[in-house]
Amino acid sequence: SQKIEQNSEALNIQEGKTATLTCNYTNYSPAYLQWYRQDPGRGPVFLLLIRENEKEKRKERLKVTFDTTLKQSLFHITASQPADSATYLCALDGSYNTDKLIFGTGTRLQVFP
Amino acid sequence: DTAVSQTPKYLVTQMGNDKSIKCEQNLGHDTMYWYKQDSKKFLKIMFSYNNKELIINETVPNRFSPKSPDKAHLNLHINSLELGDSAVYFCASSRHRDTNTEAFFGQGTRLTVV
Repeated sequence: SQKIEQNSEALNIQEGKTATLTCNYTNYSPAYLQWYRQDPGRGPVFLLLIRENEKEKRKERLKVTFDTTLKQSLFHITASQPADSATYLCALDGSYNTDKLIFGTGTRLQVFP
Repeated sequence: DTAVSQTPKYLVTQMGNDKSIKCEQNLGHDTMYWYKQDSKKFLKIMFSYNNKELIINETVPNRFSPKSPDKAHLNLHINSLELGDSAVYFCASSRHRDTNTEAFFGQGTRLTVV
């Protein structure tokens, strides 16, 4: 069955550095991949969507890559700030079913001054 | 103006009770969802409705019954609550059913069954 993996351990980085989060998937080929941010006690908030025929997408300090050969997406935050501290979730459409999103377990990012 | 709102935010109840969570979206979206986030923060889809029609039911116990009176509302009724139902439940909506569009989430309802 399809499986999505994100680093379960928290990522701690210093302010100003680039944070890179990884999302790996197995056993299927999604058409779309999305990244969300979740703060404690809040619902996830959409950040970026990338399609299988796109290699890279950017939005301000955010960059997402989608490598369908490696079955991996990388999410980068450049010039990170303490306000970027949150849990980041990747989500893919279901195998043979683009009606639903399947979420990874998320990676907690902590940016310290 | 809150885009997706769900009530209540917190719900504490005893085992065996029946409870409902309400959700409304004012975005004019066609599709609404219920997700469950467990203690390990794993977010899993439960149901999806498109224009009041059920399109996804993810092997959820039939004690959980969603109801969509119109496409702006999707309520979740839970019968005979069990300890294992304790979790945060999120309502979400998207413009249409295909996942090439972003989902908007509500603030969540933290359900605690004692």
